[in-house]
Amino acid sequence: DAGVIQSPRHEVTEMGQEVTLRCKPISGHDYLFWYRQTMMRGLELLIYFNNNVPIDDSGMPEDRFSAKMPNASFSTLKIQPSEPRDSAVYFCASSPDRGDQPQHFGDGTRLSIL
Amino acid sequence: QKEVEQNSGPLSVPEGAIASLNCTYSDRGSQSFFWYRQYSGKSPELIMSIYSNGDKEDGRFTAQLNKASQYVSLLIRDSQPSDSATYLCAVNRDDKIIFGKGTRLHILP
Repeated sequence: DAGVIQSPRHEVTEMGQEVTLRCKPISGHDYLFWYRQTMMRGLELLIYFNNNVPIDDSGMPEDRFSAKMPNASFSTLKIQPSEPRDSAVYFCASSPDRGDQPQHFGDGTRLSIL
Repeated sequence: QKEVEQNSGPLSVPEGAIASLNCTYSDRGSQSFFWYRQYSGKSPELIMSIYSNGDKEDGRFTAQLNKASQYVSLLIRDSQPSDSATYLCAVNRDDKIIFGKGTRLHILP
């Protein structure tokens, strides 16, 4: 079975540009999570969805960040405009039927904002 | 108090010895506890989950949970160089999981 698929794997862009990260969860998983990982702050939950509906976006740092899940097999995390402090590894994860159950992570997107 | 606390390490353990990783959490209502392993440049992968007090063993790994003390630990027996990684403790808060910052483990050949 295919795991969680994220794209792109690496993204380097200049400050002020729009960045879009993409995620395809494991088929049949009802929960999708977006995380950001940095050395300073560790792995932080940004937002999660249940059955395509955003449940908790309290971890989204500011209005420059937005996330959508138009259907069960696709989600995006967008940063507009991007800033150097957004540089991090962004992970998408999914879980089958409850948010507090084991999550399966994608390979992540390493984002560098110059 | 941080929700999930771990010693950042590095924890250096000789090959073949037992590695002991510890974690404390703040939410007394937490019911689900996990240990993830993360190799450098890779994504976290689940190695153990535990839901009730006591020990749970899986191969060389043993997870221990003490809800009264709000403490969860991971023991790795017969440590191998391939166990060198960062180990993330994770605890549920309501319908989501909160991760600790991780403990770096280094197995000395």
